Amino acid sequence: DVKVTQSSRYLVKRTGEKVFLECVQDMDHENMFWYRQDPGLGLRLIYFSYDVKMKEKGDIPEGYSVSREKKERFSLILESASTNQTSMYLCASRTIAGVNTGELFFGEGSRLTVL
Amino acid sequence: AQKITQTQPGMFVQEKEAVTLDCTYDTSDPSYGLFWYKQPSSGEMIFLIYQGSYDQQNATEGRYSLNFQKARKSANLVISASQLGDSAMYFCATYQAGTALIFGKGTTLSVSS
Repeated sequence: DVKVTQSSRYLVKRTGEKVFLECVQDMDHENMFWYRQDPGLGLRLIYFSYDVKMKEKGDIPEGYSVSREKKERFSLILESASTNQTSMYLCASRTIAGVNTGELFFGEGSRLTVL
Repeated sequence: AQKITQTQPGMFVQEKEAVTLDCTYDTSDPSYGLFWYKQPSSGEMIFLIYQGSYDQQNATEGRYSLNFQKARKSANLVISASQLGDSAMYFCATYQAGTALIFGKGTTLSVSS
């Protein structure tokens, strides 16, 4: 079975803390993605990565950075957490299929609360 | 830029009834695909069904079918014979210029007995 694993299901952090959200996939997928999900807003793309050491900004990259040192791992970093970053964070991956085809495989999500 | 619109924030249906969840899209890509995902209360996103823009037949996967009307730019999800376990949020999505999926805001489906 394909598997995308996010390191923490629930996190509580304080304002100003540095936060790492880890995501690991075991499918040898090239592309990986970080989304955040907020009520009434759907899923919004933060960053994505085509392959190792590559990264692209999504629609809402401000306040976030990412790291992809190994193909299977894609980390989302909040350099200085703020209360407006309280959200559900979803990691996903996919293999390189056609240009606009190929479903994303998602992790179970990480619900972050920043106090 | 591509855009997905889901106009139904919530839908309510009884068990065994069929339900249609609406999705309209806007894209400039000549070749594209539409995806539907289900998100139960546990949070994971489950891929349901896919339709490519050049597919001749509407996609079906078990009780799920996709009513694809290209001229109207709509890709509605039809769930036949609803079950209690279908209660979840449903998202429609398409690729943004071959990079990443963009999602609609979702529709919450509630199935009652």
